Amino acid sequence: DIQMTQSPSSLSASVGDRVTITCRASQSITAHLNWYQQKPGKAPKLLIYGASGLQSGVPSRFSGSGSGTDFTLTISSLQPEDSATYYCQQSYSRPFTFGPGTKVDI
Amino acid sequence: QLQLQESGPGLVKPSETLSLTCTVSGGSSSSSTYYWGWIRQPPGKGLEWIGNIYYSGNTFYNPSLKSRVTISVDTSKNQFSLKLSSVTAADTAVYYCVTISGDPYHFDYWGQGTLVTVSS
Repeated sequence: DIQMTQSPSSLSASVGDRVTITCRASQSITAHLNWYQQKPGKAPKLLIYGASGLQSGVPSRFSGSGSGTDFTLTISSLQPEDSATYYCQQSYSRPFTFGPGTKVDI
Repeated sequence: QLQLQESGPGLVKPSETLSLTCTVSGGSSSSSTYYWGWIRQPPGKGLEWIGNIYYSGNTFYNPSLKSRVTISVDTSKNQFSLKLSSVTAADTAVYYCVTISGDPYHFDYWGQGTLVTVSS
């Protein structure tokens, strides 16, 4: 199985800050990397697919980059509604696996 | 807009079989656009892919659960289902039904999730 790690595990930032979350795969997954946002008591929501594709309806302050084993999710100007846990997920090979999550507090 | 809704018992006894159904609205479970799948999340923990099925019936399961999992689709009812046998307390989780689409694959539509507790 491909193992996914994320850093940091949590962070606290202020409204308007630029926030970067890192995801690393245990082997190359080319660009088969997706990012999800989960708020308490809610289902995860797809933000970014294919490492850098912005899902329809997702604000443009969210962006993704990377390929191979190292990926980043960037929130360019943090908003109060961005308080959530963020997960990366690889779809390069089954079983599809998720990172442990990064909790963002504002 | 595709919508998914999970249904099924919220409490299952150890060693019994967990059975959940996902009802699809705003689209068809016979569509070739999507795979249909299940993901679970133990309370306070991360996400685990359980498996998925294509409209043709082809299935793919997480090897960690493969011996206990069955996913099926009923196109006449616009539903797909999950069965997990021989459950233990470790199977207590929120179970989500999802669609899988695109290249590369991604989970784009999610149900609201249903908590299943395994307890006697």
